[in-house]
Amino acid sequence: KAGVTQTPRYLIKTRGQQVTLSCSPISGHRSVSWYQQTPGQGLQFLFEYFSETQRNKGNFPGRFSGRQFSNSRSEMNVSTLELGDSALYLCASSLAADEQFFGPGTRLTVL
Amino acid sequence: KNQVEQSPQSLIILEGKNCTLQCNYTVSPFSNLRWYKQDTGRGPVSLTIMTFSENTKSNGRYTATLDADTKQSSLHITASQLSDSASYICVVSAVGSYIPTFGRGTSLIVHP
Repeated sequence: KAGVTQTPRYLIKTRGQQVTLSCSPISGHRSVSWYQQTPGQGLQFLFEYFSETQRNKGNFPGRFSGRQFSNSRSEMNVSTLELGDSALYLCASSLAADEQFFGPGTRLTVL
Repeated sequence: KNQVEQSPQSLIILEGKNCTLQCNYTVSPFSNLRWYKQDTGRGPVSLTIMTFSENTKSNGRYTATLDADTKQSSLHITASQLSDSASYICVVSAVGSYIPTFGRGTSLIVHP
């Protein structure tokens, strides 16, 4: 069974631009969570989607948004990029409430 | 508030030596505890998962222990290898929650 895939793997943007990241979960997994990881902060929870509905949300500004499609694939969008948005963005998919499988991440650099 | 604290923050050891990483948590009600290994720039990969009734779980040279009474866990790495250099993250899940609580990780460097 294929693992969680994320595209693109690397991205360079400039301040003020917007970006869309994509995540394809493991087949059959309906829950997809997004995390931001920066040095020294660890993984910070962004939001979680289940069956196309945002079920949980972390403490991030409204510039961060997401959605999930009927095939469980998910996208995350960040508008009006800031330098501090530079991070590794990780997607994780779940079948049950107690286990998550992570993708390789998208490395976003904002210049 | 659910929290996971890991120590030490960083660790440097020589190849072939053993080491132990610590994790203390306050997540409730407890469902399970996972140790992940994360190589630089990659996604975390699960090493072990333990539920309330388990107190030891091994995965090759990695052995995790859990004391649910004191809410502590440890990850012991035996005969370390250069490829063990990574960040080790302790993650604790509460019953019924899809959002686990993450520790900040221990950065392990193995020198030849």
